[in-house]
Amino acid sequence: DQQVKQNSPSLSVQEGRISILNCDYTNSMFDYFLWYKKYPAEGPTFLISISSIKDKNEDGRFTVFLNKSAKHLSLHIVPSQPGDSAVYFCAASELQGGSEKLVFGKGTKLTVNP
Amino acid sequence: NAGVTQTPKFQVLKTGQSMTLQCAQDMNHEYMSWYRQDPGMGLRLIHYSVGAGITDQGEVPNGYNVSRSTTEDFPLRLLSAAPSQTSVYFCASSPQGRGLETQYFGPGTRLLVL
Repeated sequence: DQQVKQNSPSLSVQEGRISILNCDYTNSMFDYFLWYKKYPAEGPTFLISISSIKDKNEDGRFTVFLNKSAKHLSLHIVPSQPGDSAVYFCAASELQGGSEKLVFGKGTKLTVNP
Repeated sequence: NAGVTQTPKFQVLKTGQSMTLQCAQDMNHEYMSWYRQDPGMGLRLIHYSVGAGITDQGEVPNGYNVSRSTTEDFPLRLLSAAPSQTSVYFCASSPQGRGLETQYFGPGTRLLVL
């Protein structure tokens, strides 16, 4: 059973517009969430994270929102740029539970069209 | 710093053969891990290590062995390769005692088992 779900395999947006990538989770013990970005033939790179004590974390053009009651988080990219085209993975863990394990979603392929 | 390096980049094996995927990092990170990524799937944790001499199983450990004799190296051994092990393998390391913060991923090893 998937604990971290990214239900949209792909997303296409125009340059300059907002990209919104969604992620849902089922394990209520998850308390730490991360987004990774992956280009073809490269390893994933860390993008942004959020702890469950927050509902928003912002870093430049990237903002992650967390809705604990809905077990939902989203990544907003504003404005989107062609270089943002990549696969985005959502990941979660039980930080307070002492787990060193990350559970990843299947990823969403973002295409930003010029 | 070379970061996280993985060798080989690509390997073809026959069913039943054994091999070792190499992973090394020069950042003095305590935490290292191995993931596999299959088409349409997220990254799944195979094994991880929180320090030299300490390893533990992840989500999909069967068919794989690991050891951590030094801080720098974390090899992944396939004992008897099977077609189901065809995948892209990523090694990652983290400066934290727990690997939940920014993990640095290697470029990946693409393995094909015939």
